[in-house]
Amino acid sequence: EAQVTQNPRYLITVTGKKLTVTCSQNMNHEYMSWYRQDPGLGLRQIYYSMNVEVTDKGDVPEGYKVSRKEKRNFPLILESPSPNQTSLYFCASSSLGGAYEQYFGPGTRLTVT
Amino acid sequence: KQEVTQIPAALSVPEGENLVLNCSFTDSAIYNLQWFRQDPGKGLTSLLLIQSSQREQTSGRLNASLDKSSGRSTLYIAASQPGDSATYLCAVKTGANSKLTFGKGITLSVRP
Repeated sequence: EAQVTQNPRYLITVTGKKLTVTCSQNMNHEYMSWYRQDPGLGLRQIYYSMNVEVTDKGDVPEGYKVSRKEKRNFPLILESPSPNQTSLYFCASSSLGGAYEQYFGPGTRLTVT
Repeated sequence: KQEVTQIPAALSVPEGENLVLNCSFTDSAIYNLQWFRQDPGKGLTSLLLIQSSQREQTSGRLNASLDKSSGRSTLYIAASQPGDSATYLCAVKTGANSKLTFGKGITLSVRP
């Protein structure tokens, strides 16, 4: 089954404790992206990657890092999480040809206390 | 800068009604437009994608139309059911390699 998976689905952590949210897709997509969703603000892009070793900032990259060492994986790293990073995070992927339809993961709900 | 607006933010209708959800965008030079469904606390499910060269797409009881010149798209839901209750998000892609710009969504409630 074609899908985007994220882990963990739920995470509660404390300020300053480094964490990684994993994202993996099995569709051989070149493009992968991270979004955060906040009430009243909607979905905003954090980082994206056009292919292995190619990443770039989205609209709200501050406080986040990403890496793309393998085509299927695109982890999101919070080196020193803060309470304003409490949010619902989504990973997405698409091909860079055809319809460019984006497929989304199930989301990771992060709470930073 | 592309901006996507969905009004109203919430809508409640009785079961069986045909309804239209609206989406407007400021920059008509789009690559494609996608409609998504999001259930509470869940991920986004793609419903329909319309390429910039297309006028509409259909899937079952859903029909999405696109009018680039006026910066509008509509999602038509025929014979609504309680299971259609969810938030519907419209997203626009302005270039082949660009991000999706999302509206804030319309939360639909279909009353039995």
